[in-house]
Amino acid sequence: DQQVKQNSPSLSVQEGRISILNCDYTNSMFDYFLWYKKYPAEGPTFLISISSIKDKNEDGRFTVFLNKSAKHLSLHIVPSQPGDSAVYFCAAGGTYKYIFGTGTRLKVLA
Amino acid sequence: KAGVTQTPRYLIKTRGQQVTLSCSPISGHRSVSWYQQTPGQGLQFLFEYFSETQRNKGNFPGRFSGRQFSNSRSEMNVSTLELGDSALYLCASSSRSGGAGETQYFGPGTRLLVL
Repeated sequence: DQQVKQNSPSLSVQEGRISILNCDYTNSMFDYFLWYKKYPAEGPTFLISISSIKDKNEDGRFTVFLNKSAKHLSLHIVPSQPGDSAVYFCAAGGTYKYIFGTGTRLKVLA
Repeated sequence: KAGVTQTPRYLIKTRGQQVTLSCSPISGHRSVSWYQQTPGQGLQFLFEYFSETQRNKGNFPGRFSGRQFSNSRSEMNVSTLELGDSALYLCASSSRSGGAGETQYFGPGTRLLVL
């Protein structure tokens, strides 16, 4: 039972354009969400978070949108840069643990 | 402030052996969570510790166990290793919660290969 889903295993975007990564969850009790970026052989690096009391949070080139009624969140990266190429994980927070999606591999083409 | 550290970084074991992995959280963080990452499976939650107490556990067999010490350092142990235990094991720390409302910060992981 996959409570957090990232349905696109991979995404390719041209440098300078917008990257949109999506994440769906099933449990309405989740109330805190995180996005991480991961390079091979390294631990995930925290990017941005959002609480369920908000529908948008921005940090530089990264914006996370939350649609609670649809149980959907998305990460927008604008403009995309080649260094953004990595695997992106979303995570949804429950009691004393986070549930992670399976990740989306983003490739930014120069 | 130093980040989360994990030792060893790489490990090769054979089936049937047991292994212990170590995690030192960020200074001041009291919650430590462990995850297993395998290709195509994302990060699977193993367990979470706070003040030496396990507060939550994922759906893993009893061969996977852990503990936390009074200085918040944590260890996880896998007994009777199986080939399927080959994975990247990640440790994450946070101040209090280990869950909703707090960001978790990850270590670099321990890559375990079971032959």
